[in-house]
Amino acid sequence: GENVEQHPSTLSVQEGDSAVIKCTYSDSASNYFPWYKQELGKRPQLIIDIRSNVGEKKDQRIAVTLNKTAKHFSLHITETQPEDSAVYFCAAATNDYKLSFGAGTTVTVRA
Amino acid sequence: DTAVSQTPKYLVTQMGNDKSIKCEQNLGHDTMYWYKQDSKKFLKIMFSYNNKELIINETVPNRFSPKSPDKAHLNLHINSLELGDSAVYFCASSQGGLSEAFFGQGTRLTVV
Repeated sequence: GENVEQHPSTLSVQEGDSAVIKCTYSDSASNYFPWYKQELGKRPQLIIDIRSNVGEKKDQRIAVTLNKTAKHFSLHITETQPEDSAVYFCAAATNDYKLSFGAGTTVTVRA
Repeated sequence: DTAVSQTPKYLVTQMGNDKSIKCEQNLGHDTMYWYKQDSKKFLKIMFSYNNKELIINETVPNRFSPKSPDKAHLNLHINSLELGDSAVYFCASSQGGLSEAFFGQGTRLTVV
């Protein structure tokens, strides 16, 4: 089955700096890679996703890159703000209705 | 309108009891899931249903029995609860397996 590894497990950044979270996956059949943000006590919510036919996608301060050959993908948050503090999860899915999550990265933005 | 709703939000019960968590989605999605989030925040898939049919059963003890009476509902029944079952359980739905999953607000289960 799919195994998604995520690093780092915790990340502390100064407000205004960038944050980068990296994930690797094991199943070469995976072709959908979403990123979820979970604030304390809340449900996970999608912030951006990318499919295997795309190498990069950007939405305002958030960008995701995918390297299918190396089987890794990354989340980049620029100009971080205090409201970016949360747990971020990467995930990978194949066609069999199984979305496998990484272990999560706790991001703290210092004011 | 809540897209994915699950009840109850909190559940405290004694070891050995049987309990159920209900989930409903009004998004018209075909696929529904149950995830378990442990104290370390790890989100682990338990079950995946598509059009009321079980697609994924991720080595979950058979004390856990999901039931999907229709495409909009996926309930989770747990027998003989154990201390290790304490966690937050999330229901989610999506349109197929390769699109955004919408999560319910979670049910925090505490077994004492």
